[in-house]
Amino acid sequence: ETGVTQSPTHLIKTRGQQVTLRCSSQSGHNTVSWYQQALGQGPQFIFQYYREEENGRGNFPPRFSGLQFPNYSSELNVNALELDDSALYLCASSGELAGGRKGSYNEQFFGPGTRLTVL
Amino acid sequence: GENVEQHPSTLSVQEGDSAVIKCTYSDSASNYFPWYKQELGKGPQLIIDIRSNVGEKKDQRIAVTLNKTAKHFSLHITETQPEDSAVYFCAASPYTGRRALTFGSGTRLQVQP
Repeated sequence: ETGVTQSPTHLIKTRGQQVTLRCSSQSGHNTVSWYQQALGQGPQFIFQYYREEENGRGNFPPRFSGLQFPNYSSELNVNALELDDSALYLCASSGELAGGRKGSYNEQFFGPGTRLTVL
Repeated sequence: GENVEQHPSTLSVQEGDSAVIKCTYSDSASNYFPWYKQELGKGPQLIIDIRSNVGEKKDQRIAVTLNKTAKHFSLHITETQPEDSAVYFCAASPYTGRRALTFGSGTRLQVQP
């Protein structure tokens, strides 16, 4: 069973640019949530995807968008980058497990994150 | 929406002592309360969780208590070790539906050898 992976590890962009971050969920998990963690703060919920559909959104503008693919991996896209977008972006997976094992939609398992710096 | 407050922001203890971190939440619809440990350069790691139909849960040196009436929940670490040094986050979410986690602001725990 593989854990949650994210790519890239680090990224540097300039204001106004666009960025795409990627996440592979834990084997069999069908739900992916994205969080933004500013330095010295707790993670803030961006949105959640369940079976390729957005399943709720936090207080983030529309320039934050996402996708979930049939294999349950996910992308986070941010357009028109601002300096305040500099943060650690975390992906968490949850839900059903492969092989008939029962998972929990509440237990969210986080990846290592992508550190985005906007200059 | 939900608001989670966490105290203290920093905590320094001697190895072998106990550490207690406290959180309060505002939304009575929240009924799932996980705790995460985050080490430098890593994502948060789920260490223990509790649901609102349970008042206390233990896992070796870690325990969590929940007072749903007062909207308080706490993490207790006994016999602390240097490897317990990290930032700890509490969180709250509804047990059904969107299940978005609302996090506290974190507690930096330093265990002195």
